[in-house]
Amino acid sequence: DIQMTQSPSTLSASVGDSVTITCRASQSISTWLAWYQQKPGKAPKVLIYKASILEGGVPSRFSGSGSGTEFSLTITGLQPDDFATYYCQQYKSFSKTFGQGTKVEIK
Amino acid sequence: QVQLQQSGPGLVKPSQTLSLTCGISGDSVSSDSAAWNWIRQSPSRGLEWLGRTYYRSKFYNDYAVSVKSRIVINADTSKNQFSLQLNSVTPEDTAMYYCARDGPLGTFDYWGQGALVSVSA
Repeated sequence: DIQMTQSPSTLSASVGDSVTITCRASQSISTWLAWYQQKPGKAPKVLIYKASILEGGVPSRFSGSGSGTEFSLTITGLQPDDFATYYCQQYKSFSKTFGQGTKVEIK
Repeated sequence: QVQLQQSGPGLVKPSQTLSLTCGISGDSVSSDSAAWNWIRQSPSRGLEWLGRTYYRSKFYNDYAVSVKSRIVINADTSKNQFSLQLNSVTPEDTAMYYCARDGPLGTFDYWGQGALVSVSA
């Protein structure tokens, strides 16, 4: 299986800050990468696919970049609704694997 | 709008079989542009893809290596639903279980509401 490693595990920030989460794949996945947001008690929601394409309805303050093995998710100007846990997920392989998650919490 | 509705028991005894069902509305289990997945989440294992069923002239299944010997996913076209059976469960199988659609973009774009399943005597 392709292993996905996210960092940091937890990130403390304030409303208005810009934050970046990184995700590394154990082998090249081209741009077959998605980012999800999960809030407590809810299923994950896809934000970005193909590494950098925003899902419909997702605010433009979210952006993704990267290819190969290194990827990042940036939130520019954190809003109260953005405090949540974020996961990367590769879909190059049918055995789709997730990162361990990054919790964005209020400082 | 696609909706997935999960059902099944929340408590299973060790060594028995975990069974969950996911009913589909707004799409078809026989769609040739989607796959229907089971994913679980626990504090120790994070988000873990378990397997999928999909139709491309006939039904196919793929399973995660970690559960391959114990899992069966079936599609029921008459009820437009799919199911998960996980055999010989242990407390390590305690988790929130989700069904999810793998749509045309390759991502899990629709999810069920989740079912917390505990494995305990």
